[in-house]
Order: sequence, then structure tokens, then C-alpha cells
Amino acid sequence: NAGVTQTPKFQVLKTGQSMTLQCAQDMNHNSMYWYRQDPGMGLRLIYYSASEGTTDKGEVPNGYNVSRLNKREFSLRLESAAPSQTSVYFCASSDRTGASGANVLTFGAGSRLTVL
Amino acid sequence: GQQVMQIPQYQHVQEGEDFTTYCNSSTTLSNIQWYKQRPGGHPVFLIQLVKSGEVKKQKRLTFQFGEAKKNSSLHITATQTTDVGTYFCAVGGGGYQKVTFGTGTKLQVIP
Repeated sequence: NAGVTQTPKFQVLKTGQSMTLQCAQDMNHNSMYWYRQDPGMGLRLIYYSASEGTTDKGEVPNGYNVSRLNKREFSLRLESAAPSQTSVYFCASSDRTGASGANVLTFGAGSRLTVL
Repeated sequence: GQQVMQIPQYQHVQEGEDFTTYCNSSTTLSNIQWYKQRPGGHPVFLIQLVKSGEVKKQKRLTFQFGEAKKNSSLHITATQTTDVGTYFCAVGGGGYQKVTFGTGTKLQVIP
């Protein structure tokens, strides 16, 4: 059981280049998320998809686009990369834990992106 | 949306000492989760608290949810080097609402 798989693990871009981070989960989860992690800033939500066919902005959506391709896959695209987007990106998925519970997240291993 | 403040940001302890991290919210929370991230790794779910005043234990880890459901704590008794990492609290509503993380507490254990 692979869980949440992210590709690539590492990427170096030049300012202005574009790229797509891929994420796939095999747990039949409804919800998927993209977070970025910067030192001292914790995990900040970029976009999330509550279910197949829907996407919503998180705390820091500027400069990013997402696509929920199907129930398994949720991609994050940087159209014109900037040095401020240098970060570690985590994809996560979840499903309801119960009537009063929140979504328990399962994370991928992360993608380390450097923009020069 | 719901937000939480987490303190301290960093904590260095001698192996065998206790450690506590706190999460505080200005609003009443429906639930709170705790995650651990080892150095170079990804966050891993530890536990979820839902009820007012709830206390849960996992070996040397004790998790508490405040009576007013506005704060929570994670206490580690007699830390070990395997406890090193960053501990995050996270909050989110039921259903499919987004999950928001605290800024985390980075724990360093000195052997």
C-alpha cells in the first residue's frame, strides 16, 4: 500500500520556468491537499480539493494552480516560478473520521523545490 | 477560518527531561489533531481529540484538550532521542473542511 506518492522529490528551476508537482493516492480518499513548508512557518495550505471535481483556495494560493484530475490525482502547477516559491511541498489526502472528527491527513514524502 | 498559535517554537531538553508544547485558539475548536515530523520526513498523524477535557495517552505521550476546547497540550515524559522532531497541532471542521496547522514546536533532545 503506497499511500500518497509525490513526484518529483527534488527540482531546481530558474525564475520564470513552469512545472507541475504530481500527487497520487491509493486509499480511495475524497479530500486532497497541497501544503508548503518553510522554516519557522509551519505548514501552510495552498489549495485543497474536498472531493473530485472541486478545488478551493487555502492560505497562500497566489502563484499556483491545481487540478483534481480524478479521485486519485491532485496536481500543483507553478506557471512562472519565483524565488519566493522555494520550499518543501507536501501533498496529503484524507477522509472523514466520523461525525465529529476532522479529516486525518496522510502525507506524501514531500517535494523539495528550489527556484534560482 | 480557524487558527491556532503554538508555543514554544523551539525546545532543547536533556534526555530524560519532560517536554510540553501548547496550542491555543481564540475560538472554540471542534477538534484538534497532533502530528509529528521527524527531521527530513513528512508529518505523521499521532492523535485526534474531540471532547471537552479529553485526555489521551500513547506510552510516554499525553494529549489534553481544554475544557473550553480552546487549547490543547502534548506532554512527553522522560524524553528519548527518538522523540526528536517537530510537533504540530492542527485544526479543522468536520466533513471536508480544510485542515490548518500550527507553526510547530521543534524538539531537540540532547543525549
